[in-house]
Amino acid sequence: AQSVTQPDIHITVSEGASLELRCNYSYGATPYLFWYVQSPGQGLQLLLKYFSGDTLVQGIKGFEAEFKRSQSSFNLRKPSVHWSDAAEYFCAVGDWNNDMRFGAGTRLTVKP
Amino acid sequence: DAGVIQSPRHEVTEMGQEVTLRCKPISGHNSLFWYRQTMMRGLELLIYFNNNVPIDDSGMPEDRFSAKMPNASFSTLKIQPSEPRDSAVYFCASSLSTGFNQPQHFGDGTRLSIL
Repeated sequence: AQSVTQPDIHITVSEGASLELRCNYSYGATPYLFWYVQSPGQGLQLLLKYFSGDTLVQGIKGFEAEFKRSQSSFNLRKPSVHWSDAAEYFCAVGDWNNDMRFGAGTRLTVKP
Repeated sequence: DAGVIQSPRHEVTEMGQEVTLRCKPISGHNSLFWYRQTMMRGLELLIYFNNNVPIDDSGMPEDRFSAKMPNASFSTLKIQPSEPRDSAVYFCASSLSTGFNQPQHFGDGTRLSIL
């Protein structure tokens, strides 16, 4: 079965700085990859997804992610972080049978 | 348009009691998912329905958990009897289909505390 690892439990960045959240997956075939964001007290919101095609995926709120098959990674990036980006971020991998696995999440703190 | 609606937002109850969580999916969506989120295990898929029929319940932790979808606009997740280790945030999500070309839309979750 597929699995996801988010190596960083907690990341702190200064407002305006760049951000990269790491995600590594394990799956035998071409994965379906997702990044979700969870703001405090809210449900999960889809930031972006990758199914096939261009390996650099653009999402909402200025986020992007790059699929690197050779590294089994799907890292999330943002060039300039805003205070409102403080939240929990989840990477997920799914298969053709709709079986999804989520990472444990990375909590992002944004310093003024 | 209204998103996925879950109720209650918070539930605190004593162990041994029956707990019922409710979910109203987005109108027109034909797939519904129940997830549990804990710090220890992250986000886990419990069960999902397609056209009101349970497709995969392999994530349901044990027989104390049950889920129903009597119609396209309503689903329940029931725990009976509840135990302290069931404390978690439970999310409901819906999508247009089970295919991954349609993303899942999540509700705000129900925070469950079993004392």
